[in-house]
Amino acid sequence: ETGVTQTPRHLVMGMTNKKSLKCEQHLGHNAMYWYKQSAKKPLELMFVYNFKEQTENNSVPSRFSPECPNSSHLFLHLHTLQPEDSALYLCASSQDGLADPDTQYFGPGTRLTVL
Amino acid sequence: GIQVEQSPPDLILQEGANSTLRCNFSDSVNNLQWFHQNPWGQLINLFYIPSGTKQNGRLSATTVATERYSLLYISSSQTTDSGVYFCAVSYSGGGADGLTFGKGTHLIIQP
Repeated sequence: ETGVTQTPRHLVMGMTNKKSLKCEQHLGHNAMYWYKQSAKKPLELMFVYNFKEQTENNSVPSRFSPECPNSSHLFLHLHTLQPEDSALYLCASSQDGLADPDTQYFGPGTRLTVL
Repeated sequence: GIQVEQSPPDLILQEGANSTLRCNFSDSVNNLQWFHQNPWGQLINLFYIPSGTKQNGRLSATTVATERYSLLYISSSQTTDSGVYFCAVSYSGGGADGLTFGKGTHLIIQP
């Protein structure tokens, strides 16, 4: 595998279900990100992790719970979601922590539908 | 936070035409990236260009940081260039920072 991978690619879940999205980067980066792309809004940042530590939470509801066990893996745990949470969820990674930020590389996304 | 405006929102061209996409941003940035989103949702990196000019084949980009805008040029358009083009920016004082995206330009290249 190369670059940034995400699983599953498609997910349909009910409002009472619990599911997890997985992201893995094979680029040796130290920073990872979750973004949300809804039909009616621009891409929105959700969370930032740098060296496994969460450095930004963009006012995301608690029904979204991120986890970063190491610099290569990032999860997004989902529970009691609403239909308006249906969206494309994108993961990205970059090599940061230095003076200037660097290029972010994106995975293919997970298309989530909440019924 | 930083505001990002892209224009035009929609653009329909014939194959072979040239196009210029614009990105204006409201504050200083030290990260600016252009992406092409394909029909399956994948964001493909085109340029990392917080300042200056870069070229890659038929695509080129220029960012004038002091005037807070960036331009993406596509020459001799092909149908495979169709899709949504996003500009995204951030300002980082050190460490990782999330990108702020514009709403995109939806480009359709007709054969």
